[in-house]
Amino acid sequence: NAGVTQTPKFRILKIGQSMTLQCTQDMNHNYMYWYRQDPGMGLKLIYYSVGAGITDKGEVPNGYNVSRSTTEDFPLRLELAAPSQTSVYFCASSPAGGGTAEKLFFGSGTQLSVL
Amino acid sequence: AQSVTQPDIHITVSEGASLELRCNYSYGATPYLFWYVQSPGQGLQLLLKYFSGDTLVQGIKGFEAEFKRSQSSFNLRKPSVHWSDAAEYFCAVGGTYKYIFGTGTRLKVLA
Repeated sequence: NAGVTQTPKFRILKIGQSMTLQCTQDMNHNYMYWYRQDPGMGLKLIYYSVGAGITDKGEVPNGYNVSRSTTEDFPLRLELAAPSQTSVYFCASSPAGGGTAEKLFFGSGTQLSVL
Repeated sequence: AQSVTQPDIHITVSEGASLELRCNYSYGATPYLFWYVQSPGQGLQLLLKYFSGDTLVQGIKGFEAEFKRSQSSFNLRKPSVHWSDAAEYFCAVGGTYKYIFGTGTRLKVLA
């Protein structure tokens, strides 16, 4: 079982570059999430999606964009990388979303450094 | 607005000692509450969850948590800590569509 797969695992960007963090899940989950984790700050929700074609902002969406063209994929785009976006990024999915007792399934994370 | 507070950033306990990690939440309705653990360099793994019924919830690895509505708390406990429990622990609340996490508590275990 692959579960939630994130690529790449590590990346170094220069200021102003752009990149896409890939996330795919094979569990047919409707709900998908992007979080960033910074030391002492916990996990902050960047964007989430409740199904193909539907996305919404989380707590810290500035500087990021997402799309959800299929149930399986939920890529996160950084258009103009800034040092403040240095973080560990986690993608997660859930069969029924936060208003239920369903847990989140997490990917292994992407460590991004912007220099 | 939904929020989760974990007041302890770091906790150090000796192996074999008991453990309690605090979590307070803010949510208008009956909350769905979760505890996750993150080992170094890893993703997050669910320890336990509360959604209704018995307020004392049992989880994996010998952990338990008690939901107290009057105190808006969901504290995590373990009677005897093992060195392998050293990790970061996150409390989370499930709201409308979303899951909101606390800032985490990093547990250090002394031999």
